[in-house]
Amino acid sequence: KNQVEQSPQSLIILEGKNCTLQCNYTVSPFSNLRWYKQDTGRGPVSLTIMTFSENTKSNGRYTATLDADTKQSSLHITASQLSDSASYICVVSLNFGNEKLTFGTGTRLTIIP
Amino acid sequence: DAGVTQSPTHLIKTRGQQVTLRCSPKSGHDTVSWYQQALGQGPQFIFQYYEEEERQRGNFPDRFSGHQFPNYSSELNVNALLLGDSALYLCASSLRVWSTDTQYFGPGTRLTVL
Repeated sequence: KNQVEQSPQSLIILEGKNCTLQCNYTVSPFSNLRWYKQDTGRGPVSLTIMTFSENTKSNGRYTATLDADTKQSSLHITASQLSDSASYICVVSLNFGNEKLTFGTGTRLTIIP
Repeated sequence: DAGVTQSPTHLIKTRGQQVTLRCSPKSGHDTVSWYQQALGQGPQFIFQYYEEEERQRGNFPDRFSGHQFPNYSSELNVNALLLGDSALYLCASSLRVWSTDTQYFGPGTRLTVL
C-alpha cells in the first residue's frame, strides 16, 4: 500500500524560531513530491514541488529537501511568523504529473507570540 | 485571473439525500480533481476529469459520480448520503493531467450530513 507518513503530528514553537517537518513515503514508482500549506477550513496552497532528481527547493522562508534513496523529505521553516500557523501536507505523485496524488495526514504547526 | 472557485461554501443535508457540488477551474486549466477531506485528515482522492472523461478514480463507491463540461467546469454528485460523507470537499485544477505543474485548490465545500 502506498503511504505518506508525516511527523510530528503537531508542533508548537515560538515566533521567530525555526522548525523542520518530516515526511516519509513508500509510494513507488515515485515521480514528484509536493509540500502544501493548508489554513483551517481552506484549500491547500502549494509551497514547493520537487521531481525525483531534485534534492532541495526553496520558496522564501520555506526550504524543502528530498532524499529519493531513503524516501524522505523535510520542510524547513526559517524565522517563523504567526501566519505560518497551519497544517503542512506532504503529497507524493505515484506516476508522472498530477495523476492520483497521495496525501499525508499533515503536521499541525502552531506559532505562538 | 480567477483561481479555482467552488460552490456552495457550506451545505447541510440529511441522510439518504443527494447533493451536487460545483467547481470552476483556474483560467487556462483543463483538468479537475476532486478530494474528500475529513476533519483532521489529509485529502483523499475521489476522481479526476480530463477532456470530459473520468481518467482516474480513488477508492470511493459508485455513490460518488462526477461530470466535466466543455468549459472544463466540473460537478461532484453524491447519492444516498451517509453520515460519514460529512467532510470538506476540495476541487483542484491543473493544466493537463500529465503536467508537473502544481494543482491549484479551491476553498472547498463543507458538507454536513445530519
